[in-house]
Amino acid sequence: QQQVKQSPQSLIVQKGGISIINCAYENTAFDYFPWYQQFPGKGPALLIAIRPDVSEKKEGRFTISFNKSAKQFSLHIMDSQPGDSATYFCAASSKGTYKYIFGTGTRLKVLA
Amino acid sequence: SAVISQKPSRDICQRGTSLTIQCQVDSQVTMMFWYRQQPGQSLTLIATANQGSEATYESGFVIDKFPISRPNLTFSTLTVSNMSPEDSSIYLCSVATGTTEAFFGQGTRLTVV
Repeated sequence: QQQVKQSPQSLIVQKGGISIINCAYENTAFDYFPWYQQFPGKGPALLIAIRPDVSEKKEGRFTISFNKSAKQFSLHIMDSQPGDSATYFCAASSKGTYKYIFGTGTRLKVLA
Repeated sequence: SAVISQKPSRDICQRGTSLTIQCQVDSQVTMMFWYRQQPGQSLTLIATANQGSEATYESGFVIDKFPISRPNLTFSTLTVSNMSPEDSSIYLCSVATGTTEAFFGQGTRLTVV
């Protein structure tokens, strides 16, 4: 019940295309869902996050879509760029805990 | 956000030895955590570093193997004890600044030979 399932494991997208990464969870106590971006040799960097009281959040080219009834959320990267090539992790935490359960990661490669 | 410095950034250690990793934050933070990221894998929470008291360990992690200190609100250490090759991982310090957002250090890449 503590797991966060992430797919796909890897993704190749053409420059200018849309990258979509999906996550699903079981624990209904989760109430905060961040996405992290990690470049090789670096720590994860917070990209965007959402709470279950909204169905979508957009920041620049990055959008989180959230489906509370299906217990699923996804990251959309519009106009994908080669500089977006990285590993993306979804995560979830319960209210007030600050402790994250991470998905398994998606290695994104954007072709120039 | 918080600026997190981890030392060392990488190390190669002999099996059976111990390594202490330091995490320094540029401001006082509510919570500090230690995560492990095995090669090509996701992040797994090791423990919550509690200021002034014993750390809280997650299932599968024990104090004898991963002793943690947190003497104040800006500093913590994680020791990886009696290392084996299976301990080869990236160890990451994470902090929460009073909101739900958590920030990560650059990590310590440990190789045990």
